[in-house]
Amino acid sequence: NAGVTQTPKFRVLKTGQSMTLLCAQDMNHEYMYWYRQDPGMGLRLIHYSVGEGTTAKGEVPDGYNVSRLKKQNFLLGLESAAPSQTSVYFCATHSLAGGLFGPGTRLTVL
Amino acid sequence: GIQVEQSPPDLILQEGANSTLRCNFSDSVNNLQWFHQNPWGQLINLFYIPSGTKQNGRLSATTVATERYSLLYISSSQTTDSGVYFCAVEETSGSRLTFGEGTQLTVNP
Repeated sequence: NAGVTQTPKFRVLKTGQSMTLLCAQDMNHEYMYWYRQDPGMGLRLIHYSVGEGTTAKGEVPDGYNVSRLKKQNFLLGLESAAPSQTSVYFCATHSLAGGLFGPGTRLTVL
Repeated sequence: GIQVEQSPPDLILQEGANSTLRCNFSDSVNNLQWFHQNPWGQLINLFYIPSGTKQNGRLSATTVATERYSLLYISSSQTTDSGVYFCAVEETSGSRLTFGEGTQLTVNP
């Protein structure tokens, strides 16, 4: 039981490049979330999903896309990375017992 | 959307001291959670507490939903308690968690 895993852990991109962050969970949770955390700030919700095949926008969705083709995976895509997207990205799942976060992905866009 | 305010923003303690962290929220919520982010960035769920009081070792939490606040108590603090404590609420309108900006706790030996 790995909980929530994120791939990759670190990544450096150049402006305009694209990439996909993968979040995987083995707890059969319906709800999954992508957050970003910037220095000195709390977590801001980018997109979320309430079940396989569903996605919804969060607080800061611009510049990101997501997909939930399989229940256990939630993908976050950056089509054309910008320096403003330099951040730490956290994936999370949610159940009635509370939320569980992945270890984070540190992304730097030059 | 719902507003979540945490206080104090920063707190410095000597090892062994007690502390109380507060979370105020602006609307009714389905649930409230407290998280600890350790100095390595890992986020740990401490309490899932939409109402009432829960205790886990030296930590306890109380949520008074009718008055829209929650308190996190840390007793006999240890250096390993250092980090950022976040309060997050789930709005009644959906399944989204909204986070406060956190309380940065430093416990000195």
